[in-house]
Parts: sequence; structure tokens; C-alpha cells
Amino acid sequence: GAGVSQSPRYKVAKRGQDVALRCDPISGHVSLFWYQQALGQGPEFLTYFQNEAQLDKSGLPSDRFFAERPEGSVSTLKIQRTQQEDSAVYLCASSLAPGDYGYTFGSGTRLTVV
Amino acid sequence: DAKTTQPTSMDCAEGRAANLPCNHSTISGNEYVYWYRQIHSQGPQYIIHGLKNNETNEMASLIITEDRKSSTLILPHATLRDTAVYYCIVRGNPNTNAGKSTFGDGTTLTVKP
Repeated sequence: GAGVSQSPRYKVAKRGQDVALRCDPISGHVSLFWYQQALGQGPEFLTYFQNEAQLDKSGLPSDRFFAERPEGSVSTLKIQRTQQEDSAVYLCASSLAPGDYGYTFGSGTRLTVV
Repeated sequence: DAKTTQPTSMDCAEGRAANLPCNHSTISGNEYVYWYRQIHSQGPQYIIHGLKNNETNEMASLIITEDRKSSTLILPHATLRDTAVYYCIVRGNPNTNAGKSTFGDGTTLTVKP
């Protein structure tokens, strides 16, 4: 596709529910990133993939957060037993190669935990 | 990655140049300066980056001081569509550090008619 696509665009989850957020990067892009953006703040790094390998997951806030990219293209961010503090916009970004200087971001998934 | 400091907000008149400052006094020799912007309800958009020389592209110009401790993003003729949050980021050479960027809270630029 022409850009990074994320779905769903909006998600409302009850506290304790599991959610899965999908990211379709630009075709052929090797690097994929997930960021979390709380209201009024800048994006915060969660995790990074190079193809199917998860090279950095230092930003995942707890073991309830899990990300995968099994075939090196589509990625899923899963949050188990959601809490209210998980409410945020989850952004996905991709770049053609690890050495690329600029990422292309998707529009994000806004998760609201009630 | 080095920490950056930006003003919380700025205003600019439409058609005028918008000059957005960023302090990065702890930048190290191999770290690049990047600028992104985020328009409401969209993901961040890459604008420009530089190491030590001034850079220009179709979107903006980046002026980096000689000591590299600060930089300025210049939008030469701001339009209403340039209203956004602008993030200044410092990170290592992407060829050796392909991972995360630390965004901070950015500068909210409001372009007024």
C-alpha cells in the first residue's frame, strides 16, 4: 500500500479484556516500530522489529504487552488484561531499511479502556 | 540518546517564516538531529535531519549551530496547514543505531491568518 495502515482506528475495551492491534507496513519495509502516545505527550518507544526479528523490546511497559511480526511484514501488538493506564494512541512506523533516516508512521489506533 | 529542550508553544503569522528552536546541549559527535511534526489525529511525519551542516529540502531548512548544541527548524512561508506539534529528536547514526527515537513533548506551532 501507499502508507502504513493500522487497524482498528478506534478500540474501546473493558478493563481486563485482551486486545490486538494490527499494523500493515509499507510493502518491502524491513524495519517496523511500535510507539505509545498518551494524550498531550510525545510518542514513546515500545518495540522494534527488523524483518521478523524483534531486536528491541525495552519500551514494553509490562509483560502484558506482546508484539509479533511472524513473516516480516504485518505486525500485531497484543495487550492482555487491559488496564485504564493503557489508554493511549498506539502508533506503528516502518522504514525501508535499518539505515533509513526517516520513518513513515501510520495514523494510529486509539485505545480507550473503560 | 541526548535530551532535547523545546518551547511548549509558538505562534506564527501565515506567510511568515516560522523559526522553531531546539536545544540539545548534551549531543555527542555521532548523533544526528531530526525533526518530525504531528498534525492532529495523524501519526508523526518526518521533515528533515542533519549532522552538522545546514540542510534544506522541499519542506524546511535546518540550521545547526557550529557547536551543535542547538538547532532551528525554519518553515520559510508558513501556511495554516503547518499548524502542528513539532518534535526535535537527537539519535545516533541510523546505520549503526536503527532503533528507537525519543520524542519529548515538542513545540505546538499555531499558524494564524
